[in-house]
Amino acid sequence: NAGVTQTPKFRILKIGQSMTLQCTQDMNHNYMYWYRQDPGMGLKLIYYSVGAGITDKGEVPNGYNVSRSTTEDFPLRLELAAPSQTSVYFCASSYLPGPPGDEQYFGPGTRLTVT
Amino acid sequence: AQSVTQLDSHVSVSEGTPVLLRCNYSSSYSPSLFWYVQHPNKGLQLLLKYTSAATLVKGINGFEAEFKKSETSFHLTKPSAHMSDAAEYFCVVSGTRKLIWGLGTSLAVNP
Repeated sequence: NAGVTQTPKFRILKIGQSMTLQCTQDMNHNYMYWYRQDPGMGLKLIYYSVGAGITDKGEVPNGYNVSRSTTEDFPLRLELAAPSQTSVYFCASSYLPGPPGDEQYFGPGTRLTVT
Repeated sequence: AQSVTQLDSHVSVSEGTPVLLRCNYSSSYSPSLFWYVQHPNKGLQLLLKYTSAATLVKGINGFEAEFKKSETSFHLTKPSAHMSDAAEYFCVVSGTRKLIWGLGTSLAVNP
């Protein structure tokens, strides 16, 4: 299994441009997540999905959109990129969330710079 | 509501000495708790998890954590630090449909 894969690994955007961060998992996990990690900070949840066709906002959803048309894919869309969106983005998946709890499997991350 | 607090933002130890990274949690029900590690410019890896079985949980690379309900703590320990342990460590508690992440503790290991 490849686990969770993310593309691209790095990207530089100009202010106002748009892009899609791709995330795919091959573990048949129902739950998928997008996080951002700013320098020296913990992870902040942007959006999550509990299954195909179902998504919900996390802590910091503004400026982002997601879709979940299949179990495997969970792309994150940035519209009108702003410097505040400069961050490292991690996609994760899990079989179950919450108690009894299940671990999340992370992709390698996408380092995005908006200038 | 669930929350997690990592009591130290930065910990520095000498190689070969014990490691203690502290984590307190708040939960309205019996939680699941995790420790994740992130090495510089790398992704996140699960170190260990507690899911209401044994209160002393052993993880990878010699780390372990003890769940103490009376103290609402889940501290991470290792008897002897290695240079390769230098990394960011995150304590995580299960919430409703998602995990709640601490802000992280940066561990430095000095030769």
